[in-house]
Amino acid sequence: NAGVTQTPKFQVLKTGQSMTLQCAQDMNHNSMYWYRQDPGMGLRLIYYSASEGTTDKGEVPNGYNVSRLNKREFSLRLESAAPSQTSVYFCASSNPRGGADYEQYFGPGTRLTVT
Amino acid sequence: AQSVSQHNHHVILSEAASLELGCNYSYGGTVNLFWYVQYPGQHLQLLLKYFSGDPLVKGIKGFEAEFIKSKFSFNLRKPSVQWSDTAEYFCAVKRYQAGTALIFGKGTTLSVSS
Repeated sequence: NAGVTQTPKFQVLKTGQSMTLQCAQDMNHNSMYWYRQDPGMGLRLIYYSASEGTTDKGEVPNGYNVSRLNKREFSLRLESAAPSQTSVYFCASSNPRGGADYEQYFGPGTRLTVT
Repeated sequence: AQSVSQHNHHVILSEAASLELGCNYSYGGTVNLFWYVQYPGQHLQLLLKYFSGDPLVKGIKGFEAEFIKSKFSFNLRKPSVQWSDTAEYFCAVKRYQAGTALIFGKGTTLSVSS
């Protein structure tokens, strides 16, 4: 049981390049999330998917797109990377049941640098 | 704006000192509350959570937190910290009937010297 996995672990992009961050979970969770973590800013929600087939914007969605490929996988795409997107990106999943247990399980993160 | 506030940005303690990290939220109504920890170079892990019942919640590694509804607070405590508690700590809130996402505070960095 690997939990939440993310690829790649590290990435350097030039301004204007595109890339997709991959996330997968093997816990059969319904909900998945993408956050970015910046010093002094905590975790900010980029996009989330409450269930397979749905996606919603979070606090900082500009410059990103997401795809909930199936129940296991939730990818984050940067179409034209900018230096302001230099950050550590975390994927998480949860399985809310009957209004309880919103605990989120996090992946190891992707450290992205845009030059 | 509705938010989660962690009052201390950086806390520095000696081993065996007691710890209290503040967390306040500004949402009315029912909430679920969490504390996560991020050790250097690692991903976030759950320390403890509150859903209902006893407002004093015990978590892993000797941590506990008390939910005080009247103060909109969920402070994290540990009677005696260890060097291995050096990490960043995040408070998070889930609002009732407001989707599934958590709202995180900005985090508190704890440095423990031996």
